[in-house]
Amino acid sequence: GEDVEQSLFLSVREGDSSVINCTYTDSSSTYLYWYKQEPGAGLQLLTYIFSNMDMKQDQRLTVLLNKKDKHLSLRIADTQTGDSAIYFCAAGGGATNKLIFGTGTLLAVQP
Amino acid sequence: GAGVSQSPSNKVTEKGKDVELRCDPISGHTALYWYRQSLGQGLEFLIYFQGNSAPDKSGLPSDRFSAERTGGSVSTLTIQRTQQEDSAVYLCASSLVIDPGGGQPQHFGDGTRLSIL
Repeated sequence: GEDVEQSLFLSVREGDSSVINCTYTDSSSTYLYWYKQEPGAGLQLLTYIFSNMDMKQDQRLTVLLNKKDKHLSLRIADTQTGDSAIYFCAAGGGATNKLIFGTGTLLAVQP
Repeated sequence: GAGVSQSPSNKVTEKGKDVELRCDPISGHTALYWYRQSLGQGLEFLIYFQGNSAPDKSGLPSDRFSAERTGGSVSTLTIQRTQQEDSAVYLCASSLVIDPGGGQPQHFGDGTRLSIL
């Protein structure tokens, strides 16, 4: 079945850029999503990209997709302390669009 | 409503009891999903509803788990004879109708934190 992998932890300084990486195995995944989870809260949709796109930019967020390598990344420009959270990559598509999630990456932003 | 609403936000119960978890999706969203988030297993898909039908129940871990949806809106996830391994956060999500090939983003509620003593 589909497998989605992420690194577990990333630490950056406030004002730097953060890059969170994700790899997936199922080439039939048609949509790839990034969600943010703060402590005690649900998942907040940040952005998503269709598999026929290479890049999507939304304010401070840039998503890059390398479909050949099945590699997805999320870049956060000018990272702020409020960006500290767990970030989940998810792959979906098909008749139900059920999401397969990565393990999540804990982003720690140092002031 | 403005977002996906889940209740209760927290539930503590004794092993062997039955529990019901409720999800009220975003108005107009025909697709509804249940996921479970636990320390050992991460985020796992449980069940998908399109309207009142559940064409994909493949993630339900045992026959103690069941779910229904009525009126194409509110859904209830029921766990019978709870076990300690059922302790987790149960998340509900909804989206607009599925396009061929998928794609409508799913919006999540804040979840129900279930603790089995």
